[in-house]
Amino acid sequence: EAGVTQFPSHSVIEKGQTVTLRCDPISGHDNLYWYRRVMGKEIKFLLHFVKESKQDESGMPNNRFLAERTGGTYSTLKVQPAELEDSGVYFCASSQVWGDHEKLFFGSGTQLSVL
Amino acid sequence: DAKTTQPPSMDCAEGRAANLPCNHSTISGNEYVYWYRQIHSQGPQYIIHGLKNNETNEMASLIITEDRKSSTLILPHATLRDTAVYYCIVSYGQNFVFGPGTRLSVLP
Repeated sequence: EAGVTQFPSHSVIEKGQTVTLRCDPISGHDNLYWYRRVMGKEIKFLLHFVKESKQDESGMPNNRFLAERTGGTYSTLKVQPAELEDSGVYFCASSQVWGDHEKLFFGSGTQLSVL
Repeated sequence: DAKTTQPPSMDCAEGRAANLPCNHSTISGNEYVYWYRQIHSQGPQYIIHGLKNNETNEMASLIITEDRKSSTLILPHATLRDTAVYYCIVSYGQNFVFGPGTRLSVLP
């Protein structure tokens, strides 16, 4: 069974440019999450999809970040325009259901460097 | 802010048991205790979770105190590949709040 896959693994862009990160969850997982770790900080929750609906986007830092999950399968996270403080590792995770007794499966992350 | 406190680092000799403590004195009745670890720059990896009973799986054991205010993750026979940052998280649902974790170094 394939795990959570993220693309690209690394991205280097200049300040002001746009970057789109993609996440393919485990097949059949309705719940998809985005987390990120910026330099020197802890891993932070960004948002949670249930199928194609945003269930909780309380962690999104500002309106330069746009997450979508059309069709309830893969998800994209767009940063436009990127700023220096957006540099970090962006993790995607998925789970079959939300609530207790549920494991979260993480991808390997996308390392984003904004220069 | 994370609802857990963990020591920032620990060492363990290869082949010995690693006991990683976690305090979560404000845990709510419906919140589970989860343990994840992150090896190098990989994504966090699930280890184990529990509500109030002790749990064991192929990776580790989780001991939760009766008052649920603290827990201990036990890796029974640590190997060099267990060197990682270990995160203790209390949550209902998977919108986790990660703390800084414990950096475990398994020494040869």
